Amino acid sequence: GAGVSQSPSNKVTEKGKDVELRCDPISGHTALYWYRQRLGQGLEFLIYFQGNSAPDKSGLPSDRFSAERTGESVSTLTIQRTQQEDSAVYLCASTSDRGLYGYTFGSGTRLTVV
Amino acid sequence: QKEVEQNSGPLSVPEGAIASLNCTYSDRGSQSFFWYRQYSGKSPELIMFIYSNGDKEDGRFTAQLNKASQYVSLLIRDSQPSDSATYLCAVMDSGYSTLTFGKGTMLLVSP
Repeated sequence: GAGVSQSPSNKVTEKGKDVELRCDPISGHTALYWYRQRLGQGLEFLIYFQGNSAPDKSGLPSDRFSAERTGESVSTLTIQRTQQEDSAVYLCASTSDRGLYGYTFGSGTRLTVV
Repeated sequence: QKEVEQNSGPLSVPEGAIASLNCTYSDRGSQSFFWYRQYSGKSPELIMFIYSNGDKEDGRFTAQLNKASQYVSLLIRDSQPSDSATYLCAVMDSGYSTLTFGKGTMLLVSP
C-alpha cells in the first residue's frame, strides 16, 4: 500500500480482555517497529522486526505483550489481560533501509481500557 | 540506557520569527539524528535527518549537529501558525536498529 496501515483506529476494551492490533507496512519495507505513546508523553519503543524475526524485544513492558510478523508483511501486537495503564496510542512504523532515512509511521491505534 | 532530552516547552514565538528547538543525547556512538513533527492527535511525520556535524538546510528548516557536544537542534525560519505542533528529536542507535525519541517540545506560533 501507499502508507503504513493500522487497524483498528480506535479500540475500547474492558479491563482483563485481550486485544489484537494490526499493522500493514509499506510494501517492500523489511523493518517494522511498534511504539507506544501515552497521553502527553513521548514515544516508547516496544519491539522491532527485521523480516519476521524480532532482534529487539527489549521494550515489551510485560509478558502480557507479544508480537509476531508474517514474512515481511503484516504484524500483530497482542495485549493479554489488558490493564488501564495499557491505554495509549500504539504506533507502527516501517522502513526499507535500516532506518537510514527515518521511519514512516502509521496513523496509530488508540486503545482505551475501561 | 539511551536517553534523548528535550525541553517540553511550550516554546512560544510570534509569526515570522525564528524558532529554535534543542535536543541532547546520551549515546556517544549515535550516528543519525532525526526531527519529527507531530500535530495533536496525529502520528509523527519526518521533517529532516542529519548525519554529519554542521548545518543542513531544507527550505525554512535547518538542522544543526554537534557530535562532540552530543547536541542537535532544529531552526524554523519565518515561523507560521501552521508550524504549531510538538517537535520530536530522535536518535538512531550505533547499531542502526532502533530510534530513541525525546518527549518532544511543543511549539506555539502566534499570528
